[in-house]
Amino acid sequence: GAGVSQSPSNKVTEKGKDVELRCDPISGHTALYWYRQSLGQGLEFLIYFQGNSAPDKSGLPSDRFSAERTGGSVSTLTIQRTQQEDSAVYLCASSDTEGFSPLHFGNGTRLTVT
Amino acid sequence: SQQGEEDPQALSIQEGENATMNCSYKTSINNLQWYRQNSGRGLVHLILIRSNEREKHSGRLRVTLDTSKKSSSLLITASRAADTASYFCATDVGYGQNFVFGPGTRLSVLP
Repeated sequence: GAGVSQSPSNKVTEKGKDVELRCDPISGHTALYWYRQSLGQGLEFLIYFQGNSAPDKSGLPSDRFSAERTGGSVSTLTIQRTQQEDSAVYLCASSDTEGFSPLHFGNGTRLTVT
Repeated sequence: SQQGEEDPQALSIQEGENATMNCSYKTSINNLQWYRQNSGRGLVHLILIRSNEREKHSGRLRVTLDTSKKSSSLLITASRAADTASYFCATDVGYGQNFVFGPGTRLSVLP
C-alpha cells in the first residue's frame, strides 16, 4: 500500500518568504508527527497530532512555525518569514496508535533558504 | 537535552564483523525503537522492544533493553556494506505521546 507522502521533495526559497510543506499520512493512521533534521544531526521533534486531541506543539522553535491537520488526514507545516537557519530536511511520520506501533516516515522535504 | 543518546557517534567496521550500538535514555519509557536512515532521508523502522522485554531478535539484528540502566543496544551480526547507514533509537515518553530520537550512530561497513 501507499506509504507516507511528502511534497515537495525539495524547496528552495528566499529568506523572508513563507513556505508550506505537505504530508499525506498512511490512510487510517491516527497519529502524525513532524520532525526536523539538520545536516548530519539527529531528529528534532516539532509537533505531534493524535486523533482529535489538541496537538502537542512543544517542539515548534518559534511562532513562525505552525501546522495543521485537516480532517484527521493531510497535514501542512507552514514556516513564515523563513530564515537561513530553517534550512533542513523536514520529516513527517504517521503511526497507528493501536498498541505499540512503529512510525512510518516519508522521504522528507529538503528546505533550503537562500 | 536528548531523551535518547546513541553511542558511539560513528563506527567503522569491516564487512562480516559485528556492529554494536548503544542507546541511553533518561526517563521511564513504554517502548524503545531502532530506526535506520540512508542518505539523510526517510527513516525505516527496524525493531521495537517493549519496556517489559529484555531481548528481541529480527534476522541479523539483536536488541537488548536494560530498564534498570536505562539503556539499549543494537547488534548487527555479519555486517554487510548495505548496512552502511545512520541508526537511531527512539523512545516514547508516555502512551500516546511523541517519540524522541537520539542523535544517531553513523555506521560504515567497509567491503
